Amino acid sequence: DTTVKQNPRYKLARVGKPVNLICSQTMNHDTMYWYQKKPNQAPKLLLFYYDKILNREADTFEKFQSSRPNNSFCSLYIGSAGLEYSAMYLCASSRDRPGGYAEQFFGPGTRLTVL
Amino acid sequence: GEKVEQHESTLSVREGDSAVINCTYTDTASSYFPWYKQEAGKGLHFVIDIRSNVDRKQSQRLIVLLDKKAKRFSLHITATQPEDSAIYFCAASPPMDSNYQLIWGSGTKLIIKP
Repeated sequence: DTTVKQNPRYKLARVGKPVNLICSQTMNHDTMYWYQKKPNQAPKLLLFYYDKILNREADTFEKFQSSRPNNSFCSLYIGSAGLEYSAMYLCASSRDRPGGYAEQFFGPGTRLTVL
Repeated sequence: GEKVEQHESTLSVREGDSAVINCTYTDTASSYFPWYKQEAGKGLHFVIDIRSNVDRKQSQRLIVLLDKKAKRFSLHITATQPEDSAIYFCAASPPMDSNYQLIWGSGTKLIIKP
C-alpha cells in the first residue's frame, strides 16, 4: 500500500481556536513532511520529521507544531488559527533521509478554512 | 536561496498534440529536478525526474530536458491523452549532501481539449 492518508479531508475552524490534522502511512518511511499550499502558489514546506527528529522551517517555527508518536503517524498542530492559515495542508512521506533524491508520496490533503 | 518558477499557470492543448511545461531555477548548485502531477481531488504523485549529470531523460510519453547553462528544465508530454489533464509541479533540489529540501514551482494546469 503506497497511500498516504490524511484526516480530515475538510476542516472548518474559528479564528483563535486550535487545529489538529492527522497523517498516516504504512510504507515504513523514515521521513514525513507537512506542506502548506495556497491557490496559485508553490507548496511551502512547514516542517518534517526524519525518524524522531523534528525540523521546522525558520519562518514558520512558532506557528506550527507536530508530533510523530510512531513511524506511521504524524500530526500538524496549530495552536491558534488565524485567517491566513486557510489553505490546503499536504502531508508527504519518503523512504530515505530528507532532501536530495528521495521520491515523496503525498496524501490527498486537508483543506482548512478559518472563519 | 533557490527559486523555481513555472511561467505558464495554464496550458491548453488538443488531444494528440504535444505539451511543453517550462521551469527555471536560480541556484547553479541544484542537481535534481523532479516533476509531480496532481489530478483533481488527489495528492501529488511523482512522474519523472532528471539529475544534473544528464540533459535528457525519457519515460514512455514523458521527456524531460535540462539546460544547465540557461538554468531551465522542461517537461514534454507527447501524444497527449485526456488522462494527462492535471496540475504539474516542477521542483529543484541542491546536492544530496546539503540535506535541504525541494523547492517547488507554483504549478501549471494542463488542459487536454478533445
